[in-house]
Amino acid sequence: AQKVTQAQTEISVVEKEDVTLDCVYETRDTTYYLFWYKQPPSGELVFLIRRNSFDEQNEISGRYSWNFQKSTSSFNFTITASQVVDSAVYFCALVESGAGSYQLTFGKGTKLSVIP
Amino acid sequence: EPEVTQTPSHQVTQMGQEVILRCVPISNHLYFYWYRQILGQKVEFLVSFYNNEISEKSEIFDDQFSVERPDGSNFTLKIRSTKLEDSAMYFCASKRTSGSSYEQYFGPGTRLTVT
Repeated sequence: AQKVTQAQTEISVVEKEDVTLDCVYETRDTTYYLFWYKQPPSGELVFLIRRNSFDEQNEISGRYSWNFQKSTSSFNFTITASQVVDSAVYFCALVESGAGSYQLTFGKGTKLSVIP
Repeated sequence: EPEVTQTPSHQVTQMGQEVILRCVPISNHLYFYWYRQILGQKVEFLVSFYNNEISEKSEIFDDQFSVERPDGSNFTLKIRSTKLEDSAMYFCASKRTSGSSYEQYFGPGTRLTVT
């Protein structure tokens, strides 16, 4: 069973529009960690945020915000006033506390294209 | 700011050849990982390494793969006899073990092309 689902394969928005990237996860652990990584066209993986399962506070960092809802097992990512530099593939990932070496389980990613 | 480095950035090899991908993790990190990303697909866990031994490995990490920490700084992934399907981007990552710090920091990746 897929543990991290990113249903949106590709999204295109016009610059300055807001966009939300969806992430739904599945785990039996009561303690787990959720992440978002950005992969720009250059290919590297850039850490954006980590969220602990016991902390459901939403977080805002500049134009980025994250909405964590345990009731729906979702950890969505919103970019406000999108810019061309936001064009990238965004991966949601899960670490389960029961996974001995805390390896990341990634979703398939959402490719975001911001059109000028 | 310290970062994970990987060499080479791109490696082209012929099927059946051995390749070694190199990584230098962040110096005070103790957990090391290799992940693979086939072009256009998701990032997949290969292996984790802690205290000079493999702590976990995925189904992908078969007998053709091995990892080593030959000295205090390098962490290597060896593929003994490459196959066409090994063509992918290989990412090294490292993590501190203290407290609740579960962020893994990734290197820039090595693109492996098997012809």
